[in-house]
Amino acid sequence: SYVLTQPPSVSVAPGKTARITCGGNNIGSKSVHWYQQKPGQAPVLVIYYDSDRPSGIPERFSGSNSGNTATLTISRVEAGDEADYYCQVWDSSSDPVVFGGGTKLTVL
Amino acid sequence: QVQLVQSGAEVKKPGASVKVSCKASGYTFTSYYMHWVRQAPGQGLEWMGIINPSGGSTSYAQKFQGRVTMTRDTSTSTVYMELSSLRSEDTAVYYCAREGMGGNLAGWGQGTLVTVSS
Repeated sequence: SYVLTQPPSVSVAPGKTARITCGGNNIGSKSVHWYQQKPGQAPVLVIYYDSDRPSGIPERFSGSNSGNTATLTISRVEAGDEADYYCQVWDSSSDPVVFGGGTKLTVL
Repeated sequence: QVQLVQSGAEVKKPGASVKVSCKASGYTFTSYYMHWVRQAPGQGLEWMGIINPSGGSTSYAQKFQGRVTMTRDTSTSTVYMELSSLRSEDTAVYYCAREGMGGNLAGWGQGTLVTVSS
């Protein structure tokens, strides 16, 4: 089955840029979606189709995908961005929905 | 607006079954696939399966084959997820999530905590 690899944690100072990676074999050929999950809450879709933002998601959130790595970029990080972030793809294998292990973003 | 409202928390004994409901509103129920995802305490997201509310067809993750059943009731716009032969490792928050474009999960229920304990 397809495997997505994320760093367990990323730390960033307020106002700086956070980059969260999601690695997978030839992930650039797939559509990658990103979710934000704050403690005690359900996940929220923040990026779909690699780089599109749902309505209501700030422009500070952006995404890219090429080769074996997809990246979620959060510009001008705020304290409220502190959360767990998960990448997800749809794969043609027997279990089509695949999540990365998640990355905890800490705002210093 | 899209709303997915799940049933309340459950406490079950090992070996029992649990059935979680997810009532949809704000959109045409039969037009979007529904997924179930679970999250054990302190762990990541784990996909369990998908149901087509229109025809009722399902596809389950290999890990849950034989233990999970997903159904729907179009008259009440509700999907159900039943998990049997519960064990302590099934203690988790269970989410329903409506599929969006390109296989993403665009809307989520609030989650249902299922605790399995003797």
